[in-house]
Amino acid sequence: KAGVTQTPRYLIKTRGQQVTLSCSPISGHRSVSWYQQTPGQGLQFLFEYFSETQRNKGNFPGRFSGRQFSNSRSEMNVSTLELGDSALYLCASSLAGRVGGAVHEQYFGPGTRLTVT
Amino acid sequence: AQSVTQLGSHVSVSEGALVLLRCNYSSSVPPYLFWYVQYPNQGLQLLLKYTSAATLVKGINGFEAEFKKSETSFHLTKPSAHMSDAAEYFCAATYSGAGSYQLTFGKGTKLSVIP
Repeated sequence: KAGVTQTPRYLIKTRGQQVTLSCSPISGHRSVSWYQQTPGQGLQFLFEYFSETQRNKGNFPGRFSGRQFSNSRSEMNVSTLELGDSALYLCASSLAGRVGGAVHEQYFGPGTRLTVT
Repeated sequence: AQSVTQLGSHVSVSEGALVLLRCNYSSSVPPYLFWYVQYPNQGLQLLLKYTSAATLVKGINGFEAEFKKSETSFHLTKPSAHMSDAAEYFCAATYSGAGSYQLTFGKGTKLSVIP
């Protein structure tokens, strides 16, 4: 089974621009989560989508948004880029996330390295 | 706020020695707990997870972790370190209720293995 894929792997943008990152989950997985990883703040949760609905959102400004399509593929968008948005953005997919007493593990993609200059 | 604490940002062990990476969680209600490993320029790979079925959890690559409620700990161990174990390790917990899923990560511990 193919793993989680993220495109592009590397991206360089200028302050003020916007960017869209893409994530294709493992086949059959309906939950997709996004995380930001930086040396200073570590791994921080951005948001989670399940069946095209955002179920949970982390503490990030409204410039960060996302969506999920009917095939479970997900995109995240960052508008008006700032230098501090430079980070590794990781996507993780899960069968259904947390449903009742069951917790399905998250499988991570290789990430998109975003550099803002 | 709920949190995960990893003691030691950097741990060095000799090849063949015991690996012990520490993780403590903050919660009166035990969360679901995970250990992930990250190799340079890669995503995170799941090593093992604790979901209250058993306190000693065995994972991949010879790693295991023991859940201790009294100590709010979930330390990761491996009896004999191998050079290929050199990587960064993250402990994570999910405190979310049903219907949502959010992992809270520790700051990570970088493991070096000395030949």
